[in-house]
Amino acid sequence: SAVISQKPSRDICQRGTSLTIQCQVDSQVTMMFWYRQQPGQSLTLIATANQGSEATYESGFVIDKFPISRPNLTFSTLTVSNMSPEDSSIYLCSVERDLYNEQFFGPGTRLTVL
Amino acid sequence: DAKTTQPPSMDCAEGRAANLPCNHSTISGNEYVYWYRQIHSQGPQYIIHGLKNNETNEMASLIITEDRKSSTLILPHATLRDTAVYYCIVRERNSGNTPLVFGKGTRLSVIA
Repeated sequence: SAVISQKPSRDICQRGTSLTIQCQVDSQVTMMFWYRQQPGQSLTLIATANQGSEATYESGFVIDKFPISRPNLTFSTLTVSNMSPEDSSIYLCSVERDLYNEQFFGPGTRLTVL
Repeated sequence: DAKTTQPPSMDCAEGRAANLPCNHSTISGNEYVYWYRQIHSQGPQYIIHGLKNNETNEMASLIITEDRKSSTLILPHATLRDTAVYYCIVRERNSGNTPLVFGKGTRLSVIA
């Protein structure tokens, strides 16, 4: 399995500010995925991040609101910009290991926006 | 959109088998059935996957009907720690560029 860590594990932020979430993987991976899980809901894919190229965003998510960086094969960041209470969610990063054809998930970042 | 249908919730007595159904009537020939679970406040955890044969591992068994339009995840001896949301997902294997699409899942409550 892949070991994935996320920072911060949780945060409470003020409306209008931005938060950058970090995702670190213990091995090199081609694709990294970012998901959002709103309270009581299932996971929704935000974007797919491939190293060396722009992230691909799903319908309803835009780069200005959720900029993503992918500087190398083991690391990615997701920024939640100009936050509002509706952004209160758990944000999870996920990777696929080719050897396993399985997706592994980080522990998530619990964000509360006041 | 998710290609699967699951009951929203189920209860199971501790020590008994938990049988979680999933309908995937539009599954295509090259799509596998994957099961994940999410224990409260954690990231989803892989359980098992299969194509058409029944599969078993240390966590669970997966029974896929002959027409592949439905499947059942079996936890043989449910414990309180198996309380979680269980997601059934169909996906092409060897599709590293295609992320998992989650439906609403089944919330399993294991009761002492």
